[in-house]
Formats: sequence, structure tokens, C-alpha cells
Amino acid sequence: GDSVTQKQGQVTLSEDDFLFINCTYSTTTYPTLLWYVQYLGQGPQLLLKVTTANNKGISRGFEATYDKGTTSFHLQKASVQESDSAVYFCALGASSGSWQLIFGSGTQLTVMP
Amino acid sequence: GGIITQTPKFLIGQEGQKLTLKCQQNFNHDTMYWYRQDSGKGLRLIYYSITENDLQKGDLSEGYDASREKKSSFSLTVTSAQKNEMAVFLCASSMAGRGEQYFGPGTRLTVL
Repeated sequence: GDSVTQKQGQVTLSEDDFLFINCTYSTTTYPTLLWYVQYLGQGPQLLLKVTTANNKGISRGFEATYDKGTTSFHLQKASVQESDSAVYFCALGASSGSWQLIFGSGTQLTVMP
Repeated sequence: GGIITQTPKFLIGQEGQKLTLKCQQNFNHDTMYWYRQDSGKGLRLIYYSITENDLQKGDLSEGYDASREKKSSFSLTVTSAQKNEMAVFLCASSMAGRGEQYFGPGTRLTVL
């Protein structure tokens, strides 16, 4: 079945550091790939979405490229700020007719001032 | 734009009690979802509804009932609250055929 893997449970960085959060997926269909961000005490918010292979999604300084060859959708940001501290979820939507998103287990990002 | 409202924000119940959580959306979306998020964990799907009066079970439906009263509202009932299901319950909605889901702020359940 479809699956998403986020192996990094926690990432701690200093302001202006480079962010890289790993996400890989497995599906037999044509996926939609998404990143969500969840700030403390809030529901997840859509950060970016990509539906076409080898395309890049960009939002608020974050970017992720849907790499069909390596089945990856890693999240990157060149320079993090303390306000980026949150939990980040990778998600997979399969086009097989299912109405569900498959979520990764989440990565807690803490940015130290 | 639109908004998803979840009530109550905090719900405290006794073990064995039947408890109901409510969700309203004004996106005019067809599909609505209920997820459970345990502390520090990911999201697990409880129920979803593709359209009014439709119900589909997710991986975590045991111990829960759901009701899609109308297009804009989706309720979740914990049939017999247990201490091991203290969590945040998240409601979401999406447009038919689109991948992205939009989430409400959550209801935090505490079982005494």
C-alpha cells in the first residue's frame, strides 16, 4: 500500500542555519505530495503542494521537489528563523480514487535564537 | 477563503462516557475528515465523508461513530471514553478530487 517515511523525529538548528527534512514515499499511482506545518496549539496548515514529477513547490522560503526517480519530497529552507519552530508533516495523496492523505510521522523543528 | 470551526476546544469526560465533538466548515467542501493526533505523534484517520450522508471508516474507527448531518458539518462521537485515547482530535475538509485538506484548530480530549 501507499506509505510515507519521515525518519527525523526531531531537528534542532540555530537561526540562519540550512534546513533539510527528509521525506520518501511509496505508491503505485501518480501522487500529489504535500508538506504541512503545525504550530503549537494549532491544526496543521498546508505549506506547499506539488502534483507533477520533477516540479518544485515554493512557499514562505521553503521549497520541496517531487523527485520521481528517488521517490523523495525533501523539505528545504536556506535560512531558518526562530518563528519556523513547529512540527512539519510530509503527506501523500494518491490519485487512485482514494480520498485520503497518508501522513508521515512528523518532524519537530526547534530553532534556537 | 474559509474556516473550519471545532467545538468544544477542550473536552473533559469521565471514563466510559459518551462524548460528541463537532466540526463546521464554510469552504463548501464536499469531503470532511476526522483525525486523532496523540501527543508528539502523527495523524491517524478515524472517519471521513465524501458527501452528505456518506461515511467511510478510517484505520482507527473502532470506538467511534460519526455523522455527516449536512454538507457543512461533521460530528464525531466517542462511544465510551477511555484514558488511553486522550488526544487532540482534528477535523479537516477538502474539495472533491483535490489533494489538499484544510484543518481546524482541534479539540483536546481529557478523560478522567
